Amino acid sequence: GAVVSQHPSRVICKSGTSVKIECRSLDFQATTMFWYRQFPKKSLMLMATSNEGSKATYEQGVEKDKFLINHASLTLSTLTVTSAHPEDSSFYICSAKSGRGLNEQFFGPGTRLTVL
Amino acid sequence: EDQVTQSPEALRLQEGESSSLNCSYTVSGLRGLFWYRQDPGKGPEFLFTLYSAGEEKEKERLKATLTKKESFRHITAPKPEDSATYLCAVQPFRSSNTGKLIFGQGTTLQVKP
Repeated sequence: GAVVSQHPSRVICKSGTSVKIECRSLDFQATTMFWYRQFPKKSLMLMATSNEGSKATYEQGVEKDKFLINHASLTLSTLTVTSAHPEDSSFYICSAKSGRGLNEQFFGPGTRLTVL
Repeated sequence: EDQVTQSPEALRLQEGESSSLNCSYTVSGLRGLFWYRQDPGKGPEFLFTLYSAGEEKEKERLKATLTKKESFRHITAPKPEDSATYLCAVQPFRSSNTGKLIFGQGTTLQVKP
């Protein structure tokens, strides 16, 4: 149990385009989902927390207009990188928490974004 | 300020050579401490949750213990397939509602046959 999927696993795009990444909890309902960014050989940097049906809470320094997050259902959250630039190239990982009194976050496999 | 520090940054072991990884934390009230394993190019995989000092959890060759200031993750007789980056994360009580975690920088373990 506690499986989280992400799609796509890899994406290459041109500078200025927008990219959408999907995060799904496959076998549980995720009241809260988290989006992280990870640089090579670095730890996870939390970008934002999203709760189903409400606006995401962004961490300090993360541009909410740049990284649009939607948590439309209890099993799906999306991250849209708008007008992507090469500095947005990174490994993006989502996680989900069931909210049934359990604290564990279960992570997706990650999405490697490369902006040319 | 809440902080998590893992040591060593990297560890090389021979197959069968037991060792420990350390996770030191400073947090204003600990709700839980979590250990994850991350393979290159993949998302972290959940291993253990520890909630109170003195608690221990085991999974195959891995055992995690918790004190008031740190957690140790012992690995007994490691195998090459245990090679990965191990991440420690804490959740302060003040983050109980949000579920936010504070991650350490990780320890990269390499086990040679």
